[in-house]
Amino acid sequence: NAGVTQTPKFQVLKTGQSMTLQCAQDMNHNSMYWYRQDPGMGLRLIYYSASEGTTDKGEVPNGYNVSRLNKREFSLRLESAAPSQTSVYFCASSEDGRANTEAFFGQGTRLTVV
Amino acid sequence: AQSVSQHNHHVILSEAASLELGCNYSYGGTVNLFWYVQYPGQHLQLLLKYFSGDPLVKGIKGFEAEFIKSKFSFNLRKPSVQWSDTAEYFCAVHTGGFKTIFGAGTRLFVKA
Repeated sequence: NAGVTQTPKFQVLKTGQSMTLQCAQDMNHNSMYWYRQDPGMGLRLIYYSASEGTTDKGEVPNGYNVSRLNKREFSLRLESAAPSQTSVYFCASSEDGRANTEAFFGQGTRLTVV
Repeated sequence: AQSVSQHNHHVILSEAASLELGCNYSYGGTVNLFWYVQYPGQHLQLLLKYFSGDPLVKGIKGFEAEFIKSKFSFNLRKPSVQWSDTAEYFCAVHTGGFKTIFGAGTRLFVKA
């Protein structure tokens, strides 16, 4: 049981380049999330998808786009990378958005923009 | 603004020492509280959670946390830490809908 799988694990981009972070879950969860983790700031929500076919902005959406490709997959795209987007990115999923549901996380993608 | 504050960013303990990691949140409504742990090289995983009922909750690996509503706190404790507890610990507060606020994390290093 793989849980939540993210690719790639590491990436270095030049300013202005684009890339897509991939995320897939095999737990039949309805809701999926993208977070970024920066030193001293905890995890901040970039975008989330409450259910297949819907996406919504989180706390820090600027510079990102997402696609909920199907129930399993939720991708995060950086159209024109900036050094401020250097961070560790985590994908997560949960059964739904109810308060008492646990989130399951991927291993993270360490992105450096130079 | 809603926020979660973890008092210590780095903690160093010797094996068998007792652990208490502080977590305070600012939100006046009903909350659901979590502690997540991230072991080196691994993904975040749930340590324990509180939704309602007994404010003292027990989680995996001997961890427990106490919800004190009047203090807006949800501190994590373990009577005797082990080297394998070396990890980063995150307090999180679910305030409704899809909104979960995470603290900045506390890095714990346990000396063998």
